[in-house]
Amino acid sequence: ETGVTQTPRHLVMGMTNKKSLKCEQHLGHNAMYWYKQSAKKPLELMFVYNFKEQTENNSVPSRFSPECPNSSHLFLHLHTLQPEDSALYLCASSQDPLAVSGNTIYFGEGSWLTVV
Amino acid sequence: QKEVEQNSGPLSVPEGAIASLNCTYSDRGSQSFFWYRQYSGKSPELIMSIYSNGDKEDGRFTAQLNKASQYVSLLIRDSQPSDSATYLCAVNIALLSGGSYIPTFGRGTSLIVHP
Repeated sequence: ETGVTQTPRHLVMGMTNKKSLKCEQHLGHNAMYWYKQSAKKPLELMFVYNFKEQTENNSVPSRFSPECPNSSHLFLHLHTLQPEDSALYLCASSQDPLAVSGNTIYFGEGSWLTVV
Repeated sequence: QKEVEQNSGPLSVPEGAIASLNCTYSDRGSQSFFWYRQYSGKSPELIMSIYSNGDKEDGRFTAQLNKASQYVSLLIRDSQPSDSATYLCAVNIALLSGGSYIPTFGRGTSLIVHP
């Protein structure tokens, strides 16, 4: 139990499908994140939300659409994905991304996405 | 491009030995440094954080930071087969677009502890 819960844990979708990943954090944090982890690559930051406002979009293609209705919930809406988008998508949360020192992030268990 | 560099390994050590994992970073302004452990098929879990130069010990783990050399390391004493995993170094780097200090990760070092 990490305090950050992601669903579904595994998702297989076709390139024309629309699906969503869901994340909920129970840590009382103010910021939430989406990271992407592909084989042989470092973790890539996708989006940052602070107090439910998007503060960072790391040049992510528009086929990935985030939504943050409040500080505890984060979604990643997926549509017309490509096979190369298959990866582990990690949600994370932290207390304060504006802190110069000590912004520690905690990850959920991840959602394994396969695009066929 | 602000980077975090790690040797991908694998680093193989015998059980009971000291495993030494290294990381360098490019942003001189970084103030926060983290080590995460990631087992195969799992998400990263935080092991250690360090903010000041010198050593920080937590059980069998010791993090070492040298900001002048832009170098952070993790020592694992009395290594166990259960320590076999990928170890990710993360450095909080300021993102100019939103003013946030967000962890940037290295590729990770694969550690194998053999009996």
